[in-house]
Amino acid sequence: QFVLTQPPSVSGAPGQTVTISCSGSSSNIGSGYDVNWYQQLPGAAPKILIYVNTNRPSGVPDRFSGSKSGTSASLAITGLQAEDEAEYYCQSYDSSRSGWVFGGGTKLTVL
Amino acid sequence: EVQLVESGGALVQPGGSLRLSCAASGFTFSIYAMTWVRQAPGKGLEWVSAAGGSGSSTFYADSVKGRFTVSRDNSKNMLYLQLNSLRAEDTAVYYCVKFRGSPNYYNYHMDVWGNGTTVTVSS
Repeated sequence: QFVLTQPPSVSGAPGQTVTISCSGSSSNIGSGYDVNWYQQLPGAAPKILIYVNTNRPSGVPDRFSGSKSGTSASLAITGLQAEDEAEYYCQSYDSSRSGWVFGGGTKLTVL
Repeated sequence: EVQLVESGGALVQPGGSLRLSCAASGFTFSIYAMTWVRQAPGKGLEWVSAAGGSGSSTFYADSVKGRFTVSRDNSKNMLYLQLNSLRAEDTAVYYCVKFRGSPNYYNYHMDVWGNGTTVTVSS
């Protein structure tokens, strides 16, 4: 259903590193469109976490990093903290749909 | 402080209509494209509609095309979404979101989100 494919869930212990993948196709990420990542804490609105593939807005810790290659992108979170427990969404543009698209979201659980 | 405040969400019957509003403050509203994103209960995010800075360019997801209309009043710093022919599957929290980014609209990112307004379509 979602144009961009994310794992439904990932988990890690405090201090560990987790990576969330975002798989697209030639009509979105593979066409060179930027990938952005959003964090949605429980009960809150989403907020921008990574923009234009690798950039962090001010206030976002450098524990969060983004990368993009080919038709995929990834979000890495190092030094996991309890406060990182949230839903994470990737987003790009899709030319076949002529609109902005999201991944299905990945729930991060900090063990 | 940049702020977006949505209003207008309600319980409406299938086939009914509703107009959502978004009051923007803290930035020069007229120079930024704006967008609506929705989230059904317990589900992920879905892009719905967008409007360019002047309002002359508008974009819609296929799921709402022909039923929803986005508009803006730059003199009042307001963004609107008219929802017609509502269906149960339109039930969601609707977020008003500010776009930011490159001159190319397809590389915009969503940098400021409102807290959302809830639309429930049910008889």
